Amino acid sequence: NAGVMQNPRHLVRRRGQEARLRCSPMKGHSHVYWYRQLPEEGLKFMVYLQKENIIDESGMPKERFSAEFPKEGPSILRIQQVVRGDSAAYFCASLQGTGGNEEKLFFGSGTQLSVL
Amino acid sequence: GESVGLHLPTLSVQEGDNSIINCAYSNSASDYFIWYKQESGKGPQFIIDIRSNMDKRQGQRVTVLLNKTVKHLSLQIAATQPGDSAVYFCAENMDPNQGGKLIFGQGTELSVKP
Repeated sequence: NAGVMQNPRHLVRRRGQEARLRCSPMKGHSHVYWYRQLPEEGLKFMVYLQKENIIDESGMPKERFSAEFPKEGPSILRIQQVVRGDSAAYFCASLQGTGGNEEKLFFGSGTQLSVL
Repeated sequence: GESVGLHLPTLSVQEGDNSIINCAYSNSASDYFIWYKQESGKGPQFIIDIRSNMDKRQGQRVTVLLNKTVKHLSLQIAATQPGDSAVYFCAENMDPNQGGKLIFGQGTELSVKP
């Protein structure tokens, strides 16, 4: 039973390009969370999605960032016109339900985005 | 604003000794707390969790203590091993309807000397 899968592991983009980060949740999980981690800091919540719905995007920057979790396929975090400040590790995590009943939140290995 | 923070950014211990990592939280509404271990280049790895109706929970070589009076959380690692070297984060959850929405602390780097 594979865990949360993220790809690519490393992504290099030049300023102004687009970055697309993918996350496949654990099998049977329909709740996905994205987090961003800047160097030497803790993870910061970005967005919570269920299949075809954005539930909470309170942690997403207002511009250039978007996320989706389609009915079929992985969740995508998209960053348009990247800037150097977007350089960070982006982590995805998934749950089967909303988190009660002793559910544990498991993270993927992350995508390290570097903007040149 | 409300946040989760750690008292010690770095901790160095001798192999075999016990380690204690501390965390302060400021949101009294939080009812679920988790400790994660993060090794370089990897995602956070779940270690142990505790709900606000408990004050202690034990796992294998790890114990989490919760003091709601002073809003303090600690992680104790018994017989620390070199493989325990990592950054440790505490995290809190305030919304049971969004169990994956966590507030993370800054982290404590644990270094184990052989």
